[in-house]
Parts: sequence; C-alpha cells; structure tokens
Amino acid sequence: EPEVTQTPSHQVTQMGQEVILHCVPISNHLYFYWYRQILGQKVEFLVSFYNNEISEKSEIFDDQFSVERPDGSNFTLKIRSTKLEDSAMYFCASSDRAPVDQPQHFGDGTRLSIL
Amino acid sequence: GENVEQHPSTLSVQEGDSAVIKCTYSDSASNYFPWYKQELGKRPQLIIDIRSNVGEKKDQRIAVTLNKTAKHFSLHITETQPEDSAVYFCAEGTGFQKLVFGTGTRLLVSP
Repeated sequence: EPEVTQTPSHQVTQMGQEVILHCVPISNHLYFYWYRQILGQKVEFLVSFYNNEISEKSEIFDDQFSVERPDGSNFTLKIRSTKLEDSAMYFCASSDRAPVDQPQHFGDGTRLSIL
Repeated sequence: GENVEQHPSTLSVQEGDSAVIKCTYSDSASNYFPWYKQELGKRPQLIIDIRSNVGEKKDQRIAVTLNKTAKHFSLHITETQPEDSAVYFCAEGTGFQKLVFGTGTRLLVSP
C-alpha cells in the first residue's frame, strides 16, 4: 500500500534557526497538508496546498512558516526562525481529492525539537 | 469557529467489552467525519469514516453513527482486544480542505 514518507524522523534545531521538513506524498494525490501535534495534545491543522498554491491556512501558520512543492514529488514545510513553542510532531498528509470525497493519509511524522 | 468536543478523555475496558467514544461538532456545513487511531509515537491511522448522507457505517468490529441534527457522531468498538489500546481521534471535514480534530480518547483494553 502506498504511503506518505517524511524525513527526517527527528530534527533537533537551535532556537532561531531555520528548519525544513520534507514529505513525499502518495504519488497520484493532489491535495497536501501539514498538521502538527504538540506532545500529548490533539492534531492541529496548519496548511493545505492544491494546484501549487496554499488553499487554506490556520492562525498557527504565520509569516515564519512557508510550504513549497519544489518538484513533482516533494512537499516541504519551512520554519524560518524557530521558537521553543514550535517543538512538536509535524505530520504531512495527502489525499486524492478533497476530504469530502477521499480520506487523508498521514506520514509517520517528524519530531521537531527546538533547543 | 470550528470546534470538536470528544468524550471521554480516557476509557478503560476489559477485553471483550464494547467501547463507545462520542464527538460533537459545531460547523453545520461539515459533511465528512473520520476516526483515526494513533498508537504511541506513530502516525494517525484512519480506521473508519462516514459522510453526512449516511447515518451509520460498520466495518467488522468497528461502527460509526452520525446524527446530523444533533451534530454528534460516535465510534463503537465491539469485542475489544488489547491491541485496540491507543488514542482515538475524531475529526470533521470542513471547508473542503482541512480536518479539525477532537481532543482524543485514550482507550486502554485490559486482558
């Protein structure tokens, strides 16, 4: 069964540094998402991406965050200047069509630790 | 804004018992309601979903019911097994682009 692949599995970064999280969505999927989960809490939506542009973003997704699909397979999340409160598990997800029609499939996540 | 309330936060049952988790949502435009199972340190895995044109859906030991009038939906697990132990999240599909998750239920099934 095809899977969403995320790298690295764990990223440790100094506060104020830039970090890029990588995702390879399922190959025929068209919608891409980033979510985050602070330890012990619920999964929170960050951003959705379709047709090479952001389609929706949450209040969490401020100017320090950006997403990019640099080629036909990768989907990245960049945090420009990390803060301690950015420490969380970041999940990438993809779906074939909008969630109304098709489920979102999640990757294994990247655990981001800001020191 | 969108909000999904989930109860209970923890649920302990004996193996073989049934478990029921309930969620209430606020956005009347929502029409997609998935349930995810998350084991410790792992990804959320979709276990069942339901759309607003259906009142109930079943897949072996798992069933989901939806009451659109009352804006709540429930997950039912019958004949629970220790491997069902995990955190379960409900979610609502809103705006056609994102999922809003509940706060999660930690299910513990004791042998």
